[in-house]
Amino acid sequence: GAVVSQHPSWVICKSGTSVKIECRSLDFQATTMFWYRQFPKQSLMLMATSNEGSKATYEQGVEKDKFLINHASLTLSTLTVTSAHPEDSSFYICSARGRTSGPYNEQFFGPGTRLTVL
Amino acid sequence: GEDVEQSLFLSVREGDSSVINCTYTDSSSTYLYWYKQEPGAGLQLLTYIFSNMDMKQDQRLTVLLNKKDKHLSLRIADTQTGDSAIYFCAESMGGGATNKLIFGTGTLLAVQP
Repeated sequence: GAVVSQHPSWVICKSGTSVKIECRSLDFQATTMFWYRQFPKQSLMLMATSNEGSKATYEQGVEKDKFLINHASLTLSTLTVTSAHPEDSSFYICSARGRTSGPYNEQFFGPGTRLTVL
Repeated sequence: GEDVEQSLFLSVREGDSSVINCTYTDSSSTYLYWYKQEPGAGLQLLTYIFSNMDMKQDQRLTVLLNKKDKHLSLRIADTQTGDSAIYFCAESMGGGATNKLIFGTGTLLAVQP
């Protein structure tokens, strides 16, 4: 159980276009979803936290107008990179936490989406 | 600050033990975690430890926690080539709905056959 999927697994786009990445919890209800970005050979940096039914909370330095997050339902969150530029190229990973995450608040991670902006 | 530090690289021979170290900053973290990331993939939770514990053992994995020094370690016994990956420690910050993870810098473990 506790599977999180992401779609697409990789995407290449032209500079200036917008890209939407989906994150789905397949077998549990995700009350909270998280979006991270990871640069090559670096750690995961939390971008935003999204609780179902409320607006996403963005980390300091993350532009909310550039990275639009929608927690549409208890099983789906989307991240839209608007007007993407080459510096937005990165590995984007989502995670989800649900009512079954236990006392240790386990987050279940998706496999990631590799975004390359030309 | 929220810096969680790890050594960048560790190389061991198959069958040896591996010890990956981590120093964290938030003494109020309730849980500390170890995650494994294989190339091009998401993260897999390996184990976690509650902050009032000193040690936790789970099959080949042993986690040691020194709260005084804010030091966490992961020992992998009988390391296998399949253990080659990047290992991240993480500390939890905040509580309830605001709980979030702060990840360490990651340690690349290379297991030589």
